[in-house]
Amino acid sequence: DAKTTQPNSMESNEEEPVHLPCNHSTISGTDYIHWYRQLPSQGPEYVIHGLTSNVNNRMASLAIAEDRKSSTLILHRATLRDAAVYYCILRDPGRDSNYQLIWGAGTKLIIKP
Amino acid sequence: DTGVSQDPRHKITKRGQNVTFRCDPISEHNRLYWYRQTLGQGPEFLTYFQNEAQLEKSRLLSDRFSAERPKGSFSTLEIQRTEQGDSAMYLCASSLGVGVTGYGYTFGSGTRLTVV
Repeated sequence: DAKTTQPNSMESNEEEPVHLPCNHSTISGTDYIHWYRQLPSQGPEYVIHGLTSNVNNRMASLAIAEDRKSSTLILHRATLRDAAVYYCILRDPGRDSNYQLIWGAGTKLIIKP
Repeated sequence: DTGVSQDPRHKITKRGQNVTFRCDPISEHNRLYWYRQTLGQGPEFLTYFQNEAQLEKSRLLSDRFSAERPKGSFSTLEIQRTEQGDSAMYLCASSLGVGVTGYGYTFGSGTRLTVV
């Protein structure tokens, strides 16, 4: 399975944009890029996913490089409630064996008031 | 539906005791997963059910671990003869199926197990 690489931690000021990078140089053509986040003492929650085009939803935006070897999760205006560990995961929905998600250690996002 | 529910939220047990956790998935989700997470790490896959059938178990799931999903609804994860190394957060997730590319998995809040 293709792996992802993320920085261990990042800091940002409240109400400023945050760009969380993810490298996935061995991504296959059918892998979707998923982002989850995990708030303290909670289970992970879905944030956003994409294949090739940039994606926006109410929580965040996902910018995918043209060669798909990297992507960036963008929080447009971070709040203290966005402090969490953010995970970038690749998943091929067409492979029935890919029922499990392969998680790295993620990026711990620290928001400073 | 209020999402995936896990019970209890916290469990402290003495080494050698048996523990059982329960997971209630989203009702229309046919797939259910158990993951384990230790401090500072991402979740690790333990096992997976499609309806009532347990289709895959990780090598992490030793003989002391057993999971069931009777009638394809709720699931239980039992750990027998607990060891200190079993201390972790046990997460349950459910989904509609592998073919759904959309929202993926919905996780519960987990059960934090501490073995003393």
